[in-house]
Amino acid sequence: DQQVKQNSPSLSVQEGRISILNCDYTNSMFDYFLWYKKYPAEGPTFLISISSIKDKNEDGRFTVFLNKSAKHLSLHIVPSQPGDSAVYFCAASGPDKLIFGTGTRLQVFP
Amino acid sequence: EAGVVQSPRYKIIEKKQPVAFWCNPISGHNTLYWYLQNLGQGPELLIRYENEEAVDDSQLPKDRFSAERLKGVDSTLKIQPAELGDSAVYLCASSPGLAGGRSEQFFGPGTRLTVL
Repeated sequence: DQQVKQNSPSLSVQEGRISILNCDYTNSMFDYFLWYKKYPAEGPTFLISISSIKDKNEDGRFTVFLNKSAKHLSLHIVPSQPGDSAVYFCAASGPDKLIFGTGTRLQVFP
Repeated sequence: EAGVVQSPRYKIIEKKQPVAFWCNPISGHNTLYWYLQNLGQGPELLIRYENEEAVDDSQLPKDRFSAERLKGVDSTLKIQPAELGDSAVYLCASSPGLAGGRSEQFFGPGTRLTVL
């Protein structure tokens, strides 16, 4: 039973345009959500997070939106840059552990 | 500040052989995690330590996997004997707090295990 789902395994975006990565979850007890970014042969690195008491959190080019009623969150990257090309994992948290999605591979081309 | 260190980075063994992975977390981080990441999947928690205590090992296959965190710092994860299905990346992470999922986790580069 996949509690955190990233239904798009890959996304290709032109440099300078917006990248939108989506994530759905099933457990309404999750109250904290994170996005991690992973380059090949490296471990995931934290990107941005959002608490369930908010519906938006922004950090530079990165914005995460949370729709609790739909159990959906999204990561917006504007403008996209070639260095953003990586695998992005959505993760949801209860009090004890993180549950990760399967990841979306983003490719930003010139 | 040094990040989470893992060794070895790559390991190739034959099935039924034992293997061990080592992790040195970020200095001062109380909580240490071991994750398993299969190809095309996200990391899945195997075990979580708070200081030297294993507080969540519910996903650790205890018939063949074992872990320890002596003195609440370094940790080792062992598989004995390894099976073909154990081929994966084993990630170690640490976090400064004791809040489980809500404390930002810092990941090491992982150990890629191949079982032949």
